[in-house]
Amino acid sequence: AQSVTQLGSHVSVSEGALVLLRCNYSSSVPPYLFWYVQYPNQGLQLLLKYTSAATLVKGINGFEAEFKKSETSFHLTKPSAHMSDAAEYFCAVRKTSGSRLTFGEGTQLTVNP
Amino acid sequence: DTEVTQTPKHLVMGMTNKKSLKCEQHMGHRAMYWYKQKAKKPPELMFVYSYEKLSINESVPSRFSPECPNSSLLNLHLHALQPEDSALYLCASSQVVRGNLVGELFFGEGSRLTVL
Repeated sequence: AQSVTQLGSHVSVSEGALVLLRCNYSSSVPPYLFWYVQYPNQGLQLLLKYTSAATLVKGINGFEAEFKKSETSFHLTKPSAHMSDAAEYFCAVRKTSGSRLTFGEGTQLTVNP
Repeated sequence: DTEVTQTPKHLVMGMTNKKSLKCEQHMGHRAMYWYKQKAKKPPELMFVYSYEKLSINESVPSRFSPECPNSSLLNLHLHALQPEDSALYLCASSQVVRGNLVGELFFGEGSRLTVL
């Protein structure tokens, strides 16, 4: 069963525009949620994580995400896109402590000048 | 700078070769992972070691053989691979608390493998 769904395999924005990457999870209990970024031919870098301490999570490079239990969502946002934000973004969930990490299919972000 | 180091960054091998991928971490993590990633796809879990013991094997073909010599090192031995095994191989590490895998994974830069 799919535990995490990323809506939109490709998202294109203009430089300076709002970035919104969508992630929905399926879990009966509040999970641990993560966003990773992957630049071409590199490994995955953690952008931010939700571990129930606060629903609005701030990450690196100006990104943030809000955990919404009622919508089972953990969307990633950035107010103003930079060209350097162009990359693949993965949402991931760990349902409970001890369970394995499950990745979404990824969203390719393109930033147009 | 990544705290998980993988070597080599690129590897080209024939189907009859024997080679190894290496991974090292110095974060004191007691869980280490191997993932395989094909282009435009998420990473697929292959193996997990917890306290140097193999805890998860995702039904990976025996031509891939993992080894965890100590808490900082993880190897992936490759033998008789097929062209479809060409991919980016990622190593990762994480904490273990009371026997449970917890927290985020820290990834290396990956080893790009091409099988001819």
